[in-house]
Amino acid sequence: DTAVSQTPKYLVTQMGNDKSIKCEQNLGHDTMYWYKQDSKKFLKIMFSYNNKELIINETVPNRFSPKSPDKAHLNLHINSLELGDSAVYFCASSPPSNVGRADTQYFGPGTRLTVL
Amino acid sequence: DAKTTQPPSMDCAEGRAANLPCNHSTISGNEYVYWYRQIHSQGPQYIIHGLKNNETNEMASLIITEDRKSSTLILPHATLRDTAVYYCIVRTAYNQGGKLIFGQGTELSVKP
Repeated sequence: DTAVSQTPKYLVTQMGNDKSIKCEQNLGHDTMYWYKQDSKKFLKIMFSYNNKELIINETVPNRFSPKSPDKAHLNLHINSLELGDSAVYFCASSPPSNVGRADTQYFGPGTRLTVL
Repeated sequence: DAKTTQPPSMDCAEGRAANLPCNHSTISGNEYVYWYRQIHSQGPQYIIHGLKNNETNEMASLIITEDRKSSTLILPHATLRDTAVYYCIVRTAYNQGGKLIFGQGTELSVKP
């Protein structure tokens, strides 16, 4: 299936731990994003990468470090997890501008992170 | 990007048209109106977007007023599976890597 996929779907961990969430898209897109949806359901951009280069870093604590090994992957590593990091994290991607619809973002199913 | 205002919730009877309004009075000339929806526990899904002309696709229609200060998303025959939070977003198009700014959206409940 062509899609944006994330692993794991659920992640439960203790405060202070370090964890990673993986995102992969097989849509041939060259821009990828991470969004965070908190308990009040607000969706907010964290990062965007275009061709493996950071485009947006939306004042996210430096405990969060995105890594893009190639255009199809954008992983999110979180150090020293805090209670406030509990949220649903969504990965998204969008096509190249020369394809048109570069503005349309396709979202993954989300990763529910719970920090205890 | 301009701000948008949407009613927090709406109900619609199954099979009827759902008309979801959005105000964007500060929209500028190069900004498009986008609609996304988020079905419970899923990632947001693109629905439609437009600049000034009305648009229609297989999912919905988008009606934009002539002054572009408001728009309406129309789901012509709502089904129970259309129950979701609908987000109206205004932004410049072809903004490579540009963010989507999500507001509170409208929670649409389609009832049998």
